[in-house]
Amino acid sequence: SQKIEQNSEALNIQEGKTATLTCNYTNYSPAYLQWYRQDPGRGPVFLLLIRENEKEKRKERLKVTFDTTLKQSLFHITASQPADSATYLCALDRGSTLGRLYFGRGTQLTVWP
Amino acid sequence: DGGITQSPKYLFRKEGQNVTLSCEQNLNHDAMYWYRQDPGQGLRLIYYSQIVNDFQKGDIAEGYSVSREKKESFPLTVTSAQKNPTAFYLCASSIVPGENYGYTFGSGTRLTVV
Repeated sequence: SQKIEQNSEALNIQEGKTATLTCNYTNYSPAYLQWYRQDPGRGPVFLLLIRENEKEKRKERLKVTFDTTLKQSLFHITASQPADSATYLCALDRGSTLGRLYFGRGTQLTVWP
Repeated sequence: DGGITQSPKYLFRKEGQNVTLSCEQNLNHDAMYWYRQDPGQGLRLIYYSQIVNDFQKGDIAEGYSVSREKKESFPLTVTSAQKNPTAFYLCASSIVPGENYGYTFGSGTRLTVV
């Protein structure tokens, strides 16, 4: 089955800096990769999706890259704010009709003033 | 506003008791999913359904059962056969399985065995 590793359990950065989170996967290459944000006691919220034939995707202060050779995705939050503090989850899919996602354990981001 | 509603938010189960977690969506999504989340672990898929009256086991289906009699509803029953049911349960839906759309999640049900 697919194995997903997110770089670290916790990342602490200062407000205004760029946060970079890593997602590595093994085995087969996904058709697309998704990033979610999860706040304590809440369900994950979908942020961005990037397809295997896309190198980069942007949405406001968020940027995702996808390197199928390295089997890695990087998730960047520029000009980070304390409100960005949350756990960020990486999820992979094979693009099959099953539509199921495999989730990483997440990286807890804390942005301090 | 459209979304997914999970109820109850907190649920307490006695040993040997079956309990049912509710999941309702008004997004007109075809696919629905149940995940379990434990501290320090990623979300693990319990069951999923692509269409009404059809569902498939995920990675950890033992001790759980589901039904999909209506497009809007996908209830999960945690049976007494589930030996370690204490966890955070998340229901999700997506427009069409396999398409490039993100999941919409509910706010979760926290189940505790007492």
